[in-house]
Amino acid sequence: TQLLEQSPQFLSIQEGENLTVYCNSSSVFSSLQWYRQEPGEGPVLLVTVVTGGEVKKLKRLTFQFGDARKDSSLHITAAQPGDTGLYLCAVNAGNMLTFGGGTRLMVKP
Amino acid sequence: ETGVTQTPRHLVMGMTNKKSLKCEQHLGHNAMYWYKQSAKKPLELMFVYSLEERVENNSVPSRFSPECPNSSHLFLHLHTLQPEDSALYLCASSQDGWNYGYTFGSGTRLTVV
Repeated sequence: TQLLEQSPQFLSIQEGENLTVYCNSSSVFSSLQWYRQEPGEGPVLLVTVVTGGEVKKLKRLTFQFGDARKDSSLHITAAQPGDTGLYLCAVNAGNMLTFGGGTRLMVKP
Repeated sequence: ETGVTQTPRHLVMGMTNKKSLKCEQHLGHNAMYWYKQSAKKPLELMFVYSLEERVENNSVPSRFSPECPNSSHLFLHLHTLQPEDSALYLCASSQDGWNYGYTFGSGTRLTVV
């Protein structure tokens, strides 16, 4: 069983649509990070959420940390082809960064 | 150069070969990491170096041997690999743990034939 379960695993949508991806766990975390990995590149940090219930916005991306700090969501408004990539959530487990399996998003023009 | 640089970007090696992957960070970070990314598996932490000392091994097979000669450079020495070791190997660095995030290189795509 993975520490972090991400869903869906794959998502293919048309440009302009909205979407939400999820990161869930049965454990409580002090904070959680989201990364995006584009094809042929390493993951890039998008955001760190720290407080239960916290909402952070990054242009068309909205990140939420669950009230109980066990889960998080990422909502993208009006998706664009440039949003295509692998979205990874990660937490500090044993003082190391541990990742979920990721959601692979494809946005078609 | 800035960020984290990995070389080579692509590597094809036979099972009897010996090769090394190189990582260099220009960020002044004090910790460096090797991750393995395979298809259908989450990113797997292989090795951690903090202040040039290895602090985590994660039961990685001995055919993978890390080396960190200084805080800016990290190597992964490979020998007698298996086809299932084919993967994207990512190097990352951080400053003072994970709170400010890890900065990743672009990875080395390794194929073992």
